[in-house]
Amino acid sequence: DIQMTQSPSSLSASVGDRVTITCRASQGIGNDLGWYQQKPGKAPKRLIYGASSLQSGVPSRFSGSGSGTEFTLTISSLQPEDFAIYYCLQHNDYPRTFGQGTKVEIK
Amino acid sequence: EVQLVESGGGLVKPGGSLRLSCAASGFTFSSYSMNWVRQAPGKGLEWVSSISSSNGYVHYADSVKGRFTISRDNAKNSLYLQMNSLRVEDTAVYYCARERILLFDPWGQGTLVTVSS
Repeated sequence: DIQMTQSPSSLSASVGDRVTITCRASQGIGNDLGWYQQKPGKAPKRLIYGASSLQSGVPSRFSGSGSGTEFTLTISSLQPEDFAIYYCLQHNDYPRTFGQGTKVEIK
Repeated sequence: EVQLVESGGGLVKPGGSLRLSCAASGFTFSSYSMNWVRQAPGKGLEWVSSISSSNGYVHYADSVKGRFTISRDNAKNSLYLQMNSLRVEDTAVYYCARERILLFDPWGQGTLVTVSS
């Protein structure tokens, strides 16, 4: 199985900060990675697919990069509505596997 | 509007069974692979199972293999998850999600399954 290691598990940041979250795959997965945002009590929401493609309707402050085994999600200027938990998900093989999640909290 | 609505969750005793349903609307259901994902209370997301658009291929997480069965009825625009031999550790919110290329979107609102004596 492909293991997805996400870091950090949590971070504190202020509005306007630049935030970077990393996901490492235990083996190469090409660009087969997506990023999701989840707010309390809600279903996850898609942000990025194919490692770097922004899903329609997602603000441009979100961006993704990487390929192979190392991936990053960047929020260029954190907004109040961005405080949430973020997950990566690999689509390269079954079983599909999520990262452990990164909780972005208000500083 | 593209929408997924889960139902069928509830309280069940260990060893019991439950069948979850996911009703799809607003898109051509038969054209997409579908997935079940769960989230235990206070925990992260765990992929559970996937079924291809034409029922040809199914996949399961090791944690549910042999106990859970995914199926779909394309005529009814519905996805199912038959859960047998339920364990306390199966307690979670269960989401269905459509799979597009390299993307799970949309997700349903989730249905809570509680396994407890």
